[in-house]
Amino acid sequence: DAGITQSPRYKITETGRQVTLMCHQTWSHSYMFWYRQDLGHGLRLIYYSAAADITDKGEVPDGYVVSRSKTENFPLTLESATRSQTSVYFCASSPQGSTEAFFGQGTRLTVV
Amino acid sequence: QKEVEQDPGPLSVPEGAIVSLNCTYSNSAFQYFMWYRQYSRKGPELLMYTYSSGNKEDGRFTAQVDKSSKYISLFIRDSQPSDSATYLCAMTSRGTDKLIFGTGTRLQVFP
Repeated sequence: DAGITQSPRYKITETGRQVTLMCHQTWSHSYMFWYRQDLGHGLRLIYYSAAADITDKGEVPDGYVVSRSKTENFPLTLESATRSQTSVYFCASSPQGSTEAFFGQGTRLTVV
Repeated sequence: QKEVEQDPGPLSVPEGAIVSLNCTYSNSAFQYFMWYRQYSRKGPELLMYTYSSGNKEDGRFTAQVDKSSKYISLFIRDSQPSDSATYLCAMTSRGTDKLIFGTGTRLQVFP
């Protein structure tokens, strides 16, 4: 199906483990973004990418790693998960810049 | 102080009411203003997009931007129970790829 898909939808992991959240879009949008959503903070940008092999930090990048070897994929890796990274993670894509971004359904991550 | 402030609500209104949702911001460089709607356990979806000041209307929805007051609004006319969701404002400036979101206002429209 066309659109933007995230996997898994739900994930429970233990403190210290590495976990990767996947994001795939079929529109060939140049821009892709990772946000986390927490109560009281709204959506905060973790990392974004303007094109394949180009990534940049957002507001809260510490503890996260991204890569973008292909235009359609933008995985987010938590190198050593901490409880403070328990959150809902949203991936988004946009044809240009950050305006008119299209969001995935989100991944609900719990770190125990 | 956050760059974008938004009252979290919840805002509870009867069906048919006119709803006003608002955000204030501090960065005068913001030029692009968006409203997203987010249903429970879903991703945000773009509702309205406005460039610079002025009004934009789309069906029952009207977005207003007052750059002199650093204030944006979303009006919903003839509100429906299906409008019950969280509404997030977002904004950015020219030359940056970073979208700054408000914390969202939860709206409940009861029959």
